[in-house]
Amino acid sequence: ILNVEQSPQSLHVQEGDSTNFTCSFPSSNFYALHWYRWETAKSPEALFVMTLNGDEKKKGRISATLNTKEGYSYLYIKGSQPEDSATYLCAFDTGRRALTFGSGTRLQVQP
Amino acid sequence: NAGVTQTPKFQVLKTGQSMTLQCAQDMNHNSMYWYRQDPGMGLRLIYYSASEGTTDKGEVPNGYNVSRLNKREFSLRLESAAPSQTSVYFCATGTARYDNQPQHFGDGTRLSIL
Repeated sequence: ILNVEQSPQSLHVQEGDSTNFTCSFPSSNFYALHWYRWETAKSPEALFVMTLNGDEKKKGRISATLNTKEGYSYLYIKGSQPEDSATYLCAFDTGRRALTFGSGTRLQVQP
Repeated sequence: NAGVTQTPKFQVLKTGQSMTLQCAQDMNHNSMYWYRQDPGMGLRLIYYSASEGTTDKGEVPNGYNVSRLNKREFSLRLESAAPSQTSVYFCATGTARYDNQPQHFGDGTRLSIL
């Protein structure tokens, strides 16, 4: 069983704060690292798929970086808004298409 | 374009009852997956099907069976439900290996076993 860990488990921030969280994954058999955003009572929605060491991806106020050699990825949210409140999941991909998910970081943004 | 459709959305069962969760996709994806989500544990893979006619066990397959009926449909069956199977079940689809594409998820089935 692959070990994919996310920290922190939960986070409460004020509207306008910038925040970041971490996904740690095995540094061997790496093919890709996926980030998903999951709102309560909805389906997980893909944010990024990252494959190259040093890769940086951006979508609006959300960005992510990838370090495959040390086995971690950071997700950043700039100027958090209440609509950013969700659980953010990362998933480790060996290329065999069965993803291994972390337990998620639950973000609450207070107006 | 419905994407990935799961039925039912909610279900309550008694211990020992059986039921089948249905998943259908119109995305023309080869691969389909069943996950369960429990508090504090993220999504855990139950079974997956890399293509029509093939199925493989994931991390937590005990107590479940699956059928890949055709390219569009992938069902998950609980033969004798147990309280430990109370969970939210997600079906997902994917294209092919090594293609850098994300998986696409249904809205989930919330299952309670009493």
